[in-house]
Amino acid sequence: DAGVTQSPTHLIKTRGQHVTLRCSPISGHKSVSWYQQVLGQGPQFIFQYYEKEERGRGNFPDRFSARQFPNYSSELNVNALLLGDSALYLCASSLVSGRAVYEQYFGPGTRLTVT
Amino acid sequence: AQRVTQPEKLLSVFKGAPVELKCNYSYSGSPELFWYVQYSRQRLQLLLRHISRESIKGFTADLNKGETSFHLKKPFAQEEDSAMYYCALRDNQGGKLIFGQGTELSVKP
Repeated sequence: DAGVTQSPTHLIKTRGQHVTLRCSPISGHKSVSWYQQVLGQGPQFIFQYYEKEERGRGNFPDRFSARQFPNYSSELNVNALLLGDSALYLCASSLVSGRAVYEQYFGPGTRLTVT
Repeated sequence: AQRVTQPEKLLSVFKGAPVELKCNYSYSGSPELFWYVQYSRQRLQLLLRHISRESIKGFTADLNKGETSFHLKKPFAQEEDSAMYYCALRDNQGGKLIFGQGTELSVKP
């Protein structure tokens, strides 16, 4: 297993555009979480999805949205991009059993630059 | 409010010296605490968690609920320990991780 994969690796967008980032979890992992990591800061939680339903949302504006597909892959969408959205976007997947969420495995991230 | 604080942005030590990376947290309840590490050009990975009480790569961390701390320690630093270290908290509502801002550890020869 290649681990969590994310695409694209790098992306450059202009203010006002929208962007879609993609994540494929480790095989068998049904939970996917998204984090934003601004330069010099720790990752900040954006969304968690489990079984295609949103299970948690961080303090981000409605311009940020996500979804999870039947194969448990996920997309993060950001509309009306702002310069401040420039960051590394991390995806993490984990096993879930009942209410227990196990270790989160992180992908390499997508580096988004907004100009 | 749930918060994780890592007071040092950069910690520089010589090889063989003891290391302590500080982490304090704010959480009402029983959190799970983790240390994640990111080596140069590698992805973020779990180093250790407080519930397993294990030593990984010579690192240990003890949860002190009285002081709300989860400091990471290693008695003898190695050059390969140079990396970014993040302390994280997970609440009992689900899988959301709350990270500190990270400490860059630099181990000099």
